[in-house]
Amino acid sequence: QVQLVESGGGVVQPGRSLRLSCAASGFTFSTYGMHWVRQAPGKGLEWVAFIWHDGRNKYYADSVKGRFTIARDNSKNTLYLQMNSLRVNDTAVYYCARVPAAGGIVEGDYWGQGTLVTVSS
Amino acid sequence: DIQLTQSPSFLSASVGDRVTITCRASQGISSYLAWYQQKPGKAPNLLIYAASTLQTGVPSRFSGSGSGTEFTLTISTLQPEDFATYYCQQLNSYPITFGQGTRLEIK
Repeated sequence: QVQLVESGGGVVQPGRSLRLSCAASGFTFSTYGMHWVRQAPGKGLEWVAFIWHDGRNKYYADSVKGRFTIARDNSKNTLYLQMNSLRVNDTAVYYCARVPAAGGIVEGDYWGQGTLVTVSS
Repeated sequence: DIQLTQSPSFLSASVGDRVTITCRASQGISSYLAWYQQKPGKAPNLLIYAASTLQTGVPSRFSGSGSGTEFTLTISTLQPEDFATYYCQQLNSYPITFGQGTRLEIK
């Protein structure tokens, strides 16, 4: 069965960096695009970034562009989100989600359980 | 950016009721719309994609309709497990955006 497990969250000071991981299993990871979506405490969903199956195309929300980098290692079945210059308002649960396609603009059909990132001094 | 506005933001209903949630887009998005259900402390669960296609495994009491700028999610007969927050998402263009959510609570 499809499984996505995020890790790497925690408490970090403003301006510092953090890298999130999303370990995938139960499907051929290298043939699917992947999203990162976040949710601030008590708030709605916010799309963060998307990467095509082969990593060649990447898209970002304006709120994270230039600070966050989405990447993947298909040999390790793992998706990453490198988060630099973190701000207090980046505090959220971060979800990875698989799309049922190699690329394009597609909804997420399987989601991980999320990892909490808290940015605080 | 395409803005999605859901109405209502809060809905109180009873088991057995029929409920409809509306999602309006700030510009036409054809049928590039998905609906998700989210329960507290859990990840979103995909219900509907391409505006009206039911995701595998989702009960048939859920249905979606619409195109262009106005979309609806209907639950025909509310069950206890349906009380949750519902989000629409547009997939017409980047950046991908979500509606603000509709919280469905038990009356």
